[in-house]
Amino acid sequence: NFMLTQPHSVSESPGKTVTISCTGSSGSIASNYVQWYQQRPGSAPTTVIYEDNQRPSGVPDRFSGSIDSSSNSASLTISGLKTEDEADYYCQSYDSSYSAVFGGGTKLTVL
Amino acid sequence: EVQLVESGGGLVQPGGSLKLSCAASGFTFSGSAMHWVRQASGKGLEWVGRIRSKANSYATAYAASVKGRFTISRDDSKNTAYLQMNSLKTEDTAVYYCTKAVAGIYYWGQGTLVTVSS
Repeated sequence: NFMLTQPHSVSESPGKTVTISCTGSSGSIASNYVQWYQQRPGSAPTTVIYEDNQRPSGVPDRFSGSIDSSSNSASLTISGLKTEDEADYYCQSYDSSYSAVFGGGTKLTVL
Repeated sequence: EVQLVESGGGLVQPGGSLKLSCAASGFTFSGSAMHWVRQASGKGLEWVGRIRSKANSYATAYAASVKGRFTISRDDSKNTAYLQMNSLKTEDTAVYYCTKAVAGIYYWGQGTLVTVSS
């Protein structure tokens, strides 16, 4: 079964840059689009990156997404960190049968 | 404005049934798959299942944890999707979200809480 693995937690200081990885277990992560969701406590997830590297309107350009086929991983990079970026982040893609797969989530602490 | 609104959650005893609804507005509902995702308290997001569009024969797929107990359906004329949950277990307790891609961007409802307890 296709799985996505994320670090459990990351932390960084305001103004710095942080990168959250999402590694695919098998096959090529580039075969299907990767999405990234932000979830603040008590709220529903919202999309910050879709189709690997696209940003919905309203999402700051401090958020960017990328794919690295050599490591079979996707990454979410947040630059110029703000305290409001503190949240849980989930990557999501699909397996070969178009069943959605989520990473386990990464808790971002901005301290 | 794209909106997804879940309803139908509540308290149910183990072995019981519940049917959730997801009402959509602000976009062409019939055009893409609808997914259901759940989140137990303090845990991550877990994909429950999906139903594809009419063009894809309304094909459904489910997570192994719910297969045979949950059924997803949709009524494009009502812009609504459904999650029928039978033989509920305590481990099905979670907030249930519907989510759908519109022009590639996934939109989420606010979620509805399902509590399975005696």
